[in-house]
Amino acid sequence: SVLLYQKPNRDICQSGTSLKIQCVADSQVVSMFWYQQFQEQSLMLMATANEGSEATYESGFTKDKFPISRPNLTFSTLTVNNARPGDSSIYFCSSSRDRGNSDYTFGSGTRLLVI
Amino acid sequence: QQKVQQSPESLIVPEGAMTSLNCTFSDSASQYFAWYRQHSGKAPKALMSIFSNGEKEEGRFTIHLNKASLHFSLHIRDSQPSDSALYLCAVTVNTGNYKYVFGAGTRLKVIA
Repeated sequence: SVLLYQKPNRDICQSGTSLKIQCVADSQVVSMFWYQQFQEQSLMLMATANEGSEATYESGFTKDKFPISRPNLTFSTLTVNNARPGDSSIYFCSSSRDRGNSDYTFGSGTRLLVI
Repeated sequence: QQKVQQSPESLIVPEGAMTSLNCTFSDSASQYFAWYRQHSGKAPKALMSIFSNGEKEEGRFTIHLNKASLHFSLHIRDSQPSDSALYLCAVTVNTGNYKYVFGAGTRLKVIA
């Protein structure tokens, strides 16, 4: 399975500022997914990022608030704009080696605290 | 839109017991069904997955799928304290990206 490296592991930022989270895969992957998780509850899919195209956002998540870049097949970034305390959660990137149905792996997660 | 629901929300079992976790889904066209386990403070990790109706066993873990009933389950034989974690079921939505929809999770605690 693909390995995903995520950084930073954790961060604290002031309300109103922006934070960028990076995800690097050890091999080329077609799709990368970004998830949000509050207090080890369910994983909420935020968006799907394919190389060279605009990310596709799920209901409740917008490009203005959470812009995502996918410049190549091994890299993606998620930005949290105008961070608010309600954005405090863990953010995971995820992907799989195959485009079809297969097990997905997750990055180690970025624990964000907005104060 | 695909809905995935898990039961129970939480479960406490004694060491050595059989644990059963349930997951229902709403889209009959779903193709891939998986269980993920997440230990506290860690990333979710794939545990088992299944494509077609029936049963699949790996060690102490067994997954059952009944597409007609829109239901699949995970059974853990001889539960161990190390099995204590959040268990998330996941179902793919066939939109071309094969993205997962996750259930809300079952928090399992195995007590020695």
